[in-house]
Amino acid sequence: AQTVTQSQPEMSVQEAETVTLSCTYDTSESDYYLFWYKQPPSRQMILVIRQEAYKQQNATENRFSVNFQKAAKSFSLKISDSQLGDAAMYFCAYSGAGSYQLTFGKGTKLSVIP
Amino acid sequence: GAVVSQHPSWVICKSGTSVKIECRSLDFQATTMFWYRQFPKQSLMLMATSNEGSKATYEQGVEKDKFLINHASLTLSTLTVTSAHPEDSSFYICSARSQSYAYEQYFGPGTRLTVT
Repeated sequence: AQTVTQSQPEMSVQEAETVTLSCTYDTSESDYYLFWYKQPPSRQMILVIRQEAYKQQNATENRFSVNFQKAAKSFSLKISDSQLGDAAMYFCAYSGAGSYQLTFGKGTKLSVIP
Repeated sequence: GAVVSQHPSWVICKSGTSVKIECRSLDFQATTMFWYRQFPKQSLMLMATSNEGSKATYEQGVEKDKFLINHASLTLSTLTVTSAHPEDSSFYICSARSQSYAYEQYFGPGTRLTVT
């Protein structure tokens, strides 16, 4: 079974600074998909960024980028120029090809300090 | 873009009664929907996967007779918590599989269930 590990229960960052959230996963599959979801206090899950395992290039979405290290099974999220609205729970998630189910990590609570 | 709604957003019921939660895809057809449970300060736990027109597939440890899932149309899935007890109190979230990107899910806003 696939597992997703987020080793940082809580993180904090100063406004306008950069922060990196860690995620590692364990799988025997060669084709899979990785996601970062944000859950603000409203509890609405919001997709931040996604990465296909077959793509070597790291995904980027505006201030959000990932460092995908397939051999190390690592998928970290970098948030640049942090804003107060970035404060939320961040979940790393895995989906194996053909499964369509998401396996979530335990989450990292990010606080942004003004 | 793809919107998933849930109703109600918050429900309080008495122990022993049943409660139904609706999950709708508003602007797309969802062949596959998922139901999750989330306890306070914890991650999402997949309860079941439902495909339109067929029986739901439940995850290990989830009671099929307690959590009834129906996916009768391409835009609606329902979760009925039968004979609810206080330990069923939780936050329930549904999601729908994207049609354009199959491995992506669109999430509803969640339903807070409190059983007294």
